[in-house]
Amino acid sequence: SYELTQPPSVSVSPGQTASITCSGDKLGDKYVCWYQQKPGQSPVLVIYQDRKRPSGIPERFSGSNSGNTATLNISGTQAMDEADYYCQAWDSNTAGVFGGGTKLTVL
Amino acid sequence: QITLRESGPTLVKPTQTLTLTCTFSGFSLNTSGVAVGWIRQPPGKALEWLALIYWDGDNRYSPSLKSRLTITKDTSKNQIVLAMTDMDPVDTATYYCAHRLGVNSGYGHWGQGTRVTVSS
Repeated sequence: SYELTQPPSVSVSPGQTASITCSGDKLGDKYVCWYQQKPGQSPVLVIYQDRKRPSGIPERFSGSNSGNTATLNISGTQAMDEADYYCQAWDSNTAGVFGGGTKLTVL
Repeated sequence: QITLRESGPTLVKPTQTLTLTCTFSGFSLNTSGVAVGWIRQPPGKALEWLALIYWDGDNRYSPSLKSRLTITKDTSKNQIVLAMTDMDPVDTATYYCAHRLGVNSGYGHWGQGTRVTVSS
């Protein structure tokens, strides 16, 4: 079955750019979305179709996807961005798969 | 405004079948392109994709759980039902239903989740 790999944790200083990667075989051929999840809350979609932002998501969230790696960038990171982030890919055969999640710490 | 709410038992015994219901509003499952899925999250662990059902009744399942899962829809009641057979303590998790924005898009709306514990 298809697998997505994320780093377990990423740290960033306030105001800097945080980059979270998601790796998978030929991931660039699939559509990727990203979710933010804070403790005790349901996930929130922050990026879909590789780079699109849903309504209400700040412009500091951006995404890219090429080759075997998709990346979520958060520019001007704020304390409120501290959360777990999950990538998810859509595959024509298996429909959906999530990455293992990355805990973003804003130091 | 799209809302989803999961309901079902909070405790099931090993080997039993879990049946969860997702009741939604703000959209119709008769609309082309609409899809609703189930996702779960064991305590302290990652999200796991389970199943998806489309407006036309087509469905997709996680390959690792396919033999245990059945997803159905009742359009008249605005409900999606997930059945998972042969429950085990490792299936203890919060189960979410979620509405997919569109083809190859993400889940833009999620329910609050329902916690299910598997224990004898």
